[in-house]
Amino acid sequence: AQTVTQSQPEMSVQEAETVTLSCTYDTSESNYYLFWYKQPPSRQMILVIRQEAYKQQNATENRFSVNFQKAAKSFSLKISDSQLGDTAMYFCAFMKPHNNNDMRFGAGTRLTVKP
Amino acid sequence: DADVTQTPRNRITKTGKRIMLECSQTKGHDRMYWYRQDPGLGLRLIYYSFDVKDINKGEISDGYSVSRQAQAKFSLSLESAIPNQTALYFCATSDQQGDQPQHFGDGTRLSIL
Repeated sequence: AQTVTQSQPEMSVQEAETVTLSCTYDTSESNYYLFWYKQPPSRQMILVIRQEAYKQQNATENRFSVNFQKAAKSFSLKISDSQLGDTAMYFCAFMKPHNNNDMRFGAGTRLTVKP
Repeated sequence: DADVTQTPRNRITKTGKRIMLECSQTKGHDRMYWYRQDPGLGLRLIYYSFDVKDINKGEISDGYSVSRQAQAKFSLSLESAIPNQTALYFCATSDQQGDQPQHFGDGTRLSIL
């Protein structure tokens, strides 16, 4: 079974600065998807970014980008120009293609953006 | 209006009670999911349904049951609640083209005393 590890339970960053959240995973699959979800205090889970393992190019969504290192099984999230609204729990997740009944989540990283 | 609506938002109940958590969606998605979130464990899949006639167990289905009453409605039941079922429960949906749960409800925080 696939496992997802987020080794940073909590992090903080000053507003306007950059922060990187770490995620590693374990799988024997060669093709899969990786995700970062954001859970603000409102509780709703929001998809931030998605990466297909077969793509070498790192995914980017506005201020959010990933550093996908397939050989190292690492998938970190970089948030640039941090904003107060970025304060949330961030979950890394893994899923095999066409198998969305088996998405595995990490334990989460609580990010606080300080003014 | 929210795309995925869960009711109730919060619930406190006693051990042994039967509890139903409801989920409705306006996305027209065929696929619906129930997840449980515990501190330090992320989300874990309880049940999922790919259409009205399709129900499947997830990673942690013991102690739970579901009903897909219509494309838009997917309810989760705890037949006899126990304290270790205290958690935050999420409903989610995806369409047939989506490879991941795309839309989540706001969650139901369930406390069992």
